[in-house]
This record gives sequence, C-alpha cells and structure tokens, in this order.
Amino acid sequence: GENVEQHPSTLSVQEGDSAVIKCTYSDSASNYFPWYKQELGKRPQLIIDIRSNVGEKKDQRIAVTLNKTAKHFSLHITETQPEDSAVYFCAAAAGGTSYGKLTFGQGTILTVHP
Amino acid sequence: EAGVAQSPRYKIIEKRQSVAFWCNPISGHATLYWYQQILGQGPKLLIQFQNNGVVDDSQLPKDRFSAERLKGVDSTLKIQPAKLEDSAVYLCASSLVQGTDYEQYFGPGTRLTVT
Repeated sequence: GENVEQHPSTLSVQEGDSAVIKCTYSDSASNYFPWYKQELGKRPQLIIDIRSNVGEKKDQRIAVTLNKTAKHFSLHITETQPEDSAVYFCAAAAGGTSYGKLTFGQGTILTVHP
Repeated sequence: EAGVAQSPRYKIIEKRQSVAFWCNPISGHATLYWYQQILGQGPKLLIQFQNNGVVDDSQLPKDRFSAERLKGVDSTLKIQPAKLEDSAVYLCASSLVQGTDYEQYFGPGTRLTVT
C-alpha cells in the first residue's frame, strides 16, 4: 500500500519568513495530493491540493509543487503569520479501487514566532 | 452547507468496555470515511464506505472494531472490547466523489480515552 513520509516533524520560523514542508510517497498510482491544517483540538481542514496533471498550484501565500518522477511534493508558505501556527499534514490518494483513500504523513508542527 | 456531524465529542471508558460513535455526513456525499488519529500522528483510515457498501476496511481491527452505514447516510463505529491503545480521536469524513472531485470534509472528531 501507499506510504507517505513527511519532513520536518517540527519547524520554527520568524514571522514574515517562508516555511517549506516536504513529503514523499511510494505508490506511483497516487494522483491526488492534499494538504491539511489542523489547529489544536480541531478538525483537519484542507488548505490546498494538487493533482498529478499539474506541477504547481498557488493560492495567495500558499503554494504546492509536485515532482511525479521523484514522487515528492512540497508545501510552501510565504510571509508567515502567527496564525499559520498549526500542525500540517500531507496526504496522497490513488484512483481505481482505492478511489479517495487518503494516506497521511506524520505531520509537521509549524510555529511562527511574532 | 452543514458540515459533518459527530457525537459524542468526548468519551471516557474503562478497558474491556464497549463504545459507539455516530457520524452524519454532509448531505449528498456518497463516500464516508472513519479515521483513527493517535496523538502526534496523522489520521489513519479505518474504513471507507461508498453509499452503504464497504470499499476498504483493510486497516480495521475486525476482532474488536465494527462499522455500519445503514441506508447509505449515517454511520456508526463500534469498539468492543476497548483496549488502552484505542485511546485516540476518531474522525469521520465525507466526500462527494464525482469525477475527480473527492475532497474530504472532516467532522470535529470524538476523543476517546480508555483507562
């Protein structure tokens, strides 16, 4: 089955700096890669996703890049703000009989210091 | 639109007791997922339903966990008997699953503590 590795496990930045979180996946059939933000005690919320037919996607201060050949994808947050502090999870899903089945990474605790 | 509803929000039980969780997905969402999230880890899929049929339950510990989705809407997840290692947040999610649109929406979760 799919295996998703996420790094780093913790990330501390100063307000205004950029933050990058990286994930690798094992199943070449995976074609959907969402990123979720989870604040303490709350539900995971989708912040951005990318599909395998696209190399990069951007939404304001957040961007995701995908390298299908190397089987890795990354989350980039620019101009970080204290409210960006949370746990971020990457995930991968394949189509076919595993349609929509998400395998999550271990999570990255992002702390943005004012 | 209303989100995914779950109850109860918190549950404390002793080991070997039984517990059940309830989930009501977003209206019209055909696919429903139950995840287990242990503290400090990412969610792990336990079972996936498409309407009222099971699509994937490969990671469900079937000797103690069971789940059903009668009439293809609400779902219940049961643990019997519970073990200490079952302490976790149980998240329910749903998705529309049409074409390539399978964004999953999560409920608030049920935090289970087994003592």
